[in-house]
Parts: sequence; C-alpha cells; structure tokens
Amino acid sequence: KAGVTQTPRYLIKTRGQQVTLSCSPISGHRSVSWYQQTPGQGLQFLFEYFSETQRNKGNFPGRFSGRQFSNSRSEMNVSTLELGDSALYLCASSLLASGGTEAFFGQGTRLTVV
Amino acid sequence: SQQGEEDPQALSIQEGENATMNCSYKTSINNLQWYRQNSGRGLVHLILIRSNEREKHSGRLRVTLDTSKKSSSLLITASRAADTASYFCATDYNDYKLSFGAGTTVTVRA
Repeated sequence: KAGVTQTPRYLIKTRGQQVTLSCSPISGHRSVSWYQQTPGQGLQFLFEYFSETQRNKGNFPGRFSGRQFSNSRSEMNVSTLELGDSALYLCASSLLASGGTEAFFGQGTRLTVV
Repeated sequence: SQQGEEDPQALSIQEGENATMNCSYKTSINNLQWYRQNSGRGLVHLILIRSNEREKHSGRLRVTLDTSKKSSSLLITASRAADTASYFCATDYNDYKLSFGAGTTVTVRA
C-alpha cells in the first residue's frame, strides 16, 4: 500500500510569509502527527489529529496550526515565518494513536526561511 | 524538552561488528520505540517494546527495556554499510504523542 505522502518536498519562503504543508496518511490510518526536526532541537512534537480533532499539541507558538480533513489528510500552516522555522517537517500516520502503535513517517518537507 | 536521551551521540564501527546504543528517559512510559533515519529523510520504525516487556528481537536487532532504570538499549548485530543512519528512541506516556531523543549517529565502515 502507498506510504505517507508529504508535499511539497522542498520549500523556500521569505520571513513574514506563511506556508501550508500537506500530509496524506496511509489509507485507513486515522491518526496524523506532525513533528519539527532541527539540528539544535531535534525532533519536536507539534500536534496530533484523530478523526478531524486535535488531541494533543506541543509547545509551539500559535503561529503553528493544523487541521485534518474527513479523509484523514492533514495540513499544517505556519504564519509569519521566522528564520528559526527553517526545519524538516515530518508527518506520521498511525492506525489509531501514535504512541501505542507503530508510526509511519513521510519523507518530510524541508522548509527554508530566508 | 526531550524525554529520551541516547548515548553515545555518535558511533563508528567496522562492518560485521555489533553496535549498541542506549536510551534513558525521565518519566514512566507506556511504550518505547526505536526508529532509524537515513540522512535527513523520514523515520523508519524498527521496534516497539511495551513497558511490561523486557526484551524484543527483530532480525539483527535486539532491544531491551529496564523500567526500573528507565533505560533501553538497541543492539544491531553483524552491522552492514546499509545500517549507517541515525537511530532514535521515542517514548510515550501519553498515547497521542511521541517524545524523541537526540539520536545516535551510527557509521559503519566497509
């Protein structure tokens, strides 16, 4: 079956702009989580969605938001981009909840803010 | 802050040797998972071990969990060049979130 698909793979944005990243989970998976990976902070949890509801949110400013659609596809949005938002953004899908079961990760979206 | 911390940060071994890395965490967990990441790409799930399990095997991988010491280890036996990657432990004390350590970078020399 198809894996987790993240689009786009690469993005270059200017400070102050906003960006939307997309994640299509594995068919049948209802949980989608987002993580930010940077060399300095490592992998940081952003938020998790299940059946269109946000169940958990990490310690990120309100500029970071997300949503999940009825087909389980998810988007995350970052507004008023800052240089520090440059990172690899990873999406993971799980059948039920990411903690109790295996999470399948996409290849990530590499965001560069200039 | 990160829940798990891997040790060592980096490891360089010869092909055919074993590689061992450790993960320590701070609070009680439900499960602990190990993932591999190749050069800035997505993470690949390796093993999930539950808090009531002490050891688990998958091919050349062996994971142990000591909840009294809040630590886990990942052993890769008979390493290959393809094992060159970063390895992360991830803990969950809340079903909806994984907390990752900083990772161990493993280099397997031919």
